[in-house]
Amino acid sequence: GAVVSQHPSRVICKSGTSVKIECRSLDFQATTMFWYRQFPKQSLMLMATSNEGSKATYEQGVEKDKFLINHASLTLSTLTVASAHPEDSSFYICSAPRAQNTEAFFGQGTRLTVV
Amino acid sequence: DAKTTQPPSMDCAEGRAANLPCNHSTISGNEYVYWYRQIHSQGPQYIIHGLKNNETNEMASLIITEDRKSSTLILPHATLRDTAVYYCIVRVASSNDYKLSFGAGTTVTVRA
Repeated sequence: GAVVSQHPSRVICKSGTSVKIECRSLDFQATTMFWYRQFPKQSLMLMATSNEGSKATYEQGVEKDKFLINHASLTLSTLTVASAHPEDSSFYICSAPRAQNTEAFFGQGTRLTVV
Repeated sequence: DAKTTQPPSMDCAEGRAANLPCNHSTISGNEYVYWYRQIHSQGPQYIIHGLKNNETNEMASLIITEDRKSSTLILPHATLRDTAVYYCIVRVASSNDYKLSFGAGTTVTVRA
């Protein structure tokens, strides 16, 4: 079964509103989680690294004031898309490694559509 | 992390073995080869990883050349549900940095 759960799986929102996406590790603690974005027919692009108890690290070109990341506990990271616009419509995916020297597990993804 | 090169697409017949190549000619000695796949509209799924030796699990086999500059993922009996984009990624497994750099991958279509 899934070891990383993402919610919601699909969301449609109006332009200008904010949307929160949750990523949970189900049976392990994750001090680090990762957020990716995927546009249609493209590969996954890393947006940011979510660190429990400290600030997230953003990849170049990703606006930290628009994509707010909170890693409040060892099992939960949230991504908030602030004041979403149609160009933010995308597939957002989180991942978490269970332990060192193991694979990273991915959530099911969240399809965001901004209208 | 070193870059990988994969063919953009391949077809295979249901029930036959699917052999997916990956070139990673600049791989470093401490970098592992990882394979993930992404079925349409889902998050990526881990398949297998290896360093030098060939590896096998319930999903697939990974064959790494002796010079480690290329590898092949083998799906022994492809099914329609194996249709997906397959990503070959190299990374230093001993590091705490689990950022994965995804290339374009290989779009595998399994046909009945």
